[in-house]
Amino acid sequence: SQQGEEDPQALSIQEGENATMNCSYKTSINNLQWYRQNSGRGLVHLILIRSNEREKHSGRLRVTLDTSKKSSSLLITASRAADTASYFCATDATQGGSEKLVFGKGTKLTVNP
Amino acid sequence: DTGVSQDPRHKITKRGQNVTFRCDPISEHNRLYWYRQTLGQGPEFLTYFQNEAQLEKSRLLSDRFSAERPKGSFSTLEIQRTEQGDSAMYLCASRRGQGEDGYTFGSGTRLTVV
Repeated sequence: SQQGEEDPQALSIQEGENATMNCSYKTSINNLQWYRQNSGRGLVHLILIRSNEREKHSGRLRVTLDTSKKSSSLLITASRAADTASYFCATDATQGGSEKLVFGKGTKLTVNP
Repeated sequence: DTGVSQDPRHKITKRGQNVTFRCDPISEHNRLYWYRQTLGQGPEFLTYFQNEAQLEKSRLLSDRFSAERPKGSFSTLEIQRTEQGDSAMYLCASRRGQGEDGYTFGSGTRLTVV
């Protein structure tokens, strides 16, 4: 079963604009991760934020985490056509010997040149 | 060894046939995971290994599915008596340990059951 939901399901912007994607989840977590998936390909790890962190940056990516609201956001600044992909949040809630990532349904981002 | 390799990339099979997929993880990664992804959905967990031990299986993994990781290196996922509902992308991922590392995914095997 899926852990949570990404919002929006689809986002279309112009090159140079910023893209914001949101993720909500249901259970307590150890960390939350964001992945990118180009059409028909595997997933690429983008960034990981721990449960005791509130914000993290990596290049043009900025991730926030609000554990009280069980939500996270991914901001991509100065978007490029090559950023066109699906973006997934995934929660790591290792507990009781269970280790796995639980993914949301994803946001499909289209960056128009 | 720069990534996770999956073979084949694509597989078309007739309903009722058996299929087997292979995953070669990054060599120093002791944890290996199988996920299934259908169109428009996020990946869903199937099973994972720590070295050669299969430690968890999802309810999605019916009796027709079996996974192995002999010697804690590569892994195979076999589906017996395939059904049309098995059509999906099967993704393999690995990571080094329980630490807070991201997972490294392979490119997946796309299965089509006709």
